[in-house]
Order: sequence, then structure tokens, then C-alpha cells
Amino acid sequence: EPEVTQTPSHQVTQMGQEVILRCVPISNHLYFYWYRQILGQKVEFLVSFYNNEISEKSEIFDDQFSVERPDGSNFTLKIRSTKLEDSAMYFCASSVRGVEETQYFGPGTRLLVL
Amino acid sequence: QKEVEQDPGPLSVPEGAIVSLNCTYSNSAFQYFMWYRQYSRKGPELLMYTYSSGNKEDGRFTAQVDKSSKYISLFIRDSQPSDSATYLCAMSKTGTASKLTFGTGTRLQVTL
Repeated sequence: EPEVTQTPSHQVTQMGQEVILRCVPISNHLYFYWYRQILGQKVEFLVSFYNNEISEKSEIFDDQFSVERPDGSNFTLKIRSTKLEDSAMYFCASSVRGVEETQYFGPGTRLLVL
Repeated sequence: QKEVEQDPGPLSVPEGAIVSLNCTYSNSAFQYFMWYRQYSRKGPELLMYTYSSGNKEDGRFTAQVDKSSKYISLFIRDSQPSDSATYLCAMSKTGTASKLTFGTGTRLQVTL
């Protein structure tokens, strides 16, 4: 069964460093998303991406964040200058086009900023 | 007031019990109501969704939405140890493939 994959599974970085989180969505999917979950808190929407542009973003998704689909298979989330409060589990999701289609989530990347 | 509120649990029930999981919400613009299940060290997985008010049944699972009360429920009949997971309610204004607003999740443990 096709699934969303994410790499790395864990990343430790120093405050102020740039990190890139990588996702491979399901191959025929056209919509891509990033969510994050700070430990003990709810899953929060960051951004959605369709047709090579951001379709919606949350207040959390400020200028420190960017997303890119550098090739036909990968979808990345870049955090330019990490802060302590960026420590969280980051989930990538993808879906086909349609109002009632399912978002399929990857297993997540746990980011720890020291 | 939080947009979506969910009792975090944990909730522990014996095998075979009926489980009731609930969320309340404040934003009347939500039209799509979903239940996701999340096993440890995995991403959320969609169990079922309901559009607007009403009930929906899928095997042992029943989802209910009462928009007048801004209250949604998930019932699990004949609960099994394999149902042990965190259950997340999620909501959207425009569809299940749009921005989702999640509750905090309820951790469920089904014991033998």
C-alpha cells in the first residue's frame, strides 16, 4: 500500500541553524501539507501546497519557514533559523484533489532544537 | 475559548466495552468532522468523516455530529486491544483535503 515517507525520523540541531525536513508524498497525489505537533499539544496546520504554490498557510508559518517541491517526488519544509520553540514532531501529508479526499500522513520527523 | 476541545484522557476500558470519545468546538463554520487514529510513533490515520450533522457508521465505529450543540462523538463498539491508540478529532470548513483543525487527542487503552 502506498504511503507517505519522511526523512529523517529524528533531527537534533542547534538554535539558529537551518534545517530541511523531507517528505515523499504518495505518487499520484497533488495536494501536500505540513503540520506540526509540539509535545503534549495538538497537531497544528502549517501550510498546504498545490500546483507549485502555497494555497493556505497558518500564522505559525512565518518568514522563517518555506516549502518547496524541488522535483517530482520530494516535498520539503525548510526552517531558516531554528528557535527552541520549533522543537516538535513535523508531519507531512498528501491527498488527491477533491473536497472529500483523505489526507494521508507520514510518520513524522521529530525535531529537537538545542 | 479553544476552537476544538477534547478530553486528553487517558481512557482505560476492558475489552468488549463501548467507548465514547467526544469533542466540542466553537467555530460554527466547520462543516467537515473527522476522526483520526494515531498509534505510537506513527502519523494520524483517517478513520471516518461526516459532513454536517448526522450519524455515520463503519463497522464497529459510529460518528455523530450535532452542529446545534457544536458537539461530535465517536463510538467504538466491542472494543479490542488493537483499538488502543490516540484518537484525534479534526474539523474543516471546506473539506477533508483542506486545512484541518485538530483536538488534542484522547489516549485510549483497551485492556484484556
